[in-house]
Amino acid sequence: DGGITQSPKYLFRKEGQNVTLSCEQNLNHDAMYWYRQDPGQGLRLIYYSQIVNDFQKGDIAEGYSVSREKKESFPLTVTSAQKNPTAFYLCASNPRGTNQPQHFGDGTRLSIL
Amino acid sequence: QKEVEQNSGPLSVPEGAIASLNCTYSDRVSQSFFWYRQYSGKSPELIMSIYSNGDKEDGRFTAQLNKASQYVSLLIRDSQPSDSATYLCAVNIKATDKLIFGTGTRLQVFP
Repeated sequence: DGGITQSPKYLFRKEGQNVTLSCEQNLNHDAMYWYRQDPGQGLRLIYYSQIVNDFQKGDIAEGYSVSREKKESFPLTVTSAQKNPTAFYLCASNPRGTNQPQHFGDGTRLSIL
Repeated sequence: QKEVEQNSGPLSVPEGAIASLNCTYSDRVSQSFFWYRQYSGKSPELIMSIYSNGDKEDGRFTAQLNKASQYVSLLIRDSQPSDSATYLCAVNIKATDKLIFGTGTRLQVFP
């Protein structure tokens, strides 16, 4: 079945630690996105990539980093510089172009230990 | 003014009624509009896309778009308790070429 796989489902971060969230898609989509959702809030864009080896900052990129070495994969690293990382992280993808709907993975819930 | 605005709700409707969810947006040249359903603790699921003025129907769901008034709405006919969820409106903002999500409207359908 085609889809977007995010792992792990739950993740705990210690103070000063970097953690990496995985996102893999087998939909052959060019574009991939990372969003953060806080309780009662909308989705906020962290980073996005329209093509392999290229990515752009979204609205809240500080404290995060990404890579796009393969079309299928777009991992997100939450660095120790992100002081309030507790949130629900969602990865999405679509064929290139924002006129196409984005489809989401099941999300990763990150908490501070 | 927020780029995409929704009433946070909750919107409570009895089972079998029509639920009407509204969304307004600020970018006059937006061309792509989407409705997502998000159950508590889950990820958003696409339920409707609409690109042209007028109505688009899919089963019990109807999306309505009025570009002149800059609003898009979602009607759910014969509402069921399983429709209870948060509904997110998403709009392509042409100026930034990004998809902007509203904060969502929580719908409660009671038996």
